[in-house]
Amino acid sequence: RKEVEQDPGPFNVPEGATVAFNCTYSNSASQSFFWYRQDCRKEPKLLMSVYSSGNEDGRFTAQLNRASQYISLLIRDSKLSDSATYLCVVGINDYKLSFGAGTTVTVRA
Amino acid sequence: DTAVSQTPKYLVTQMGNDKSIKCEQNLGHDTMYWYKQDSKKFLKIMFSYNNKELIINETVPNRFSPKSPDKAHLNLHINSLELGDSAVYFCASSQDFGSSYNEQFFGPGTRLTVL
Repeated sequence: RKEVEQDPGPFNVPEGATVAFNCTYSNSASQSFFWYRQDCRKEPKLLMSVYSSGNEDGRFTAQLNRASQYISLLIRDSKLSDSATYLCVVGINDYKLSFGAGTTVTVRA
Repeated sequence: DTAVSQTPKYLVTQMGNDKSIKCEQNLGHDTMYWYKQDSKKFLKIMFSYNNKELIINETVPNRFSPKSPDKAHLNLHINSLELGDSAVYFCASSQDFGSSYNEQFFGPGTRLTVL
C-alpha cells in the first residue's frame, strides 16, 4: 500500500465553482500534513499546512481526520489560476516527507 | 535572488554516460534534499543532508552519489546512466533538520532524459 494515496482526477470545474478532494495516508503515526501545489513543469510549492483543528487560508480550507487517516482540501470560488496539481504531503517521521502523486484541477472559463 | 537553483535545467545524454547536477540554496538552510519525480508524478526522496552530513539514503543505487561541499550546496553525480534514470530531479532545502513540520523549498528541477 502506498504511504499517501490521492485521486488523480482530473477535476474539471467552471470558474466560481467549489471543488474538494481527499487523500489518505497509511502511517497512523504521521505527525505533519501539508498541501503543496505544482504547476505544469514547475517545482512544488507549499500551499498550506494542515492542522488537527482544520484551517483556512483565503479560499482554501484544509481538514485532517486522524481517525480515518485522510486529509481534504476544498477550494471555493475557483479561479483560472487555481489550475494545477495539488500534492498531499505527509510527515512520515521527523526526517522524511512522503508525497502523493497529486490531484489535477482544471478551472475553465 | 533565486532561493534554490539547479543546473542544468535540461540534460539529454546517452546510456552509460556519467553526469552531474548542481544545486545551491541561498536561504541559509541547514538541510538539503534530492528528490526524483518519475513519469507517474510521484516525488520520492533520494537523499537528505544536514550540515554537509548524509542523513537519509533511500535505497538509491550506488550509481547515484551526492556530495555536499558546504551546507549551501548539494550536488548529485550519476554514473553509468540507465534508461530508467530518466525523470525530473528536484533539489530542495529546509530550515532545520529533525522536524518534518518545516516547509521545503524546491529548485526548478532538472529534466534528465537518457537515450
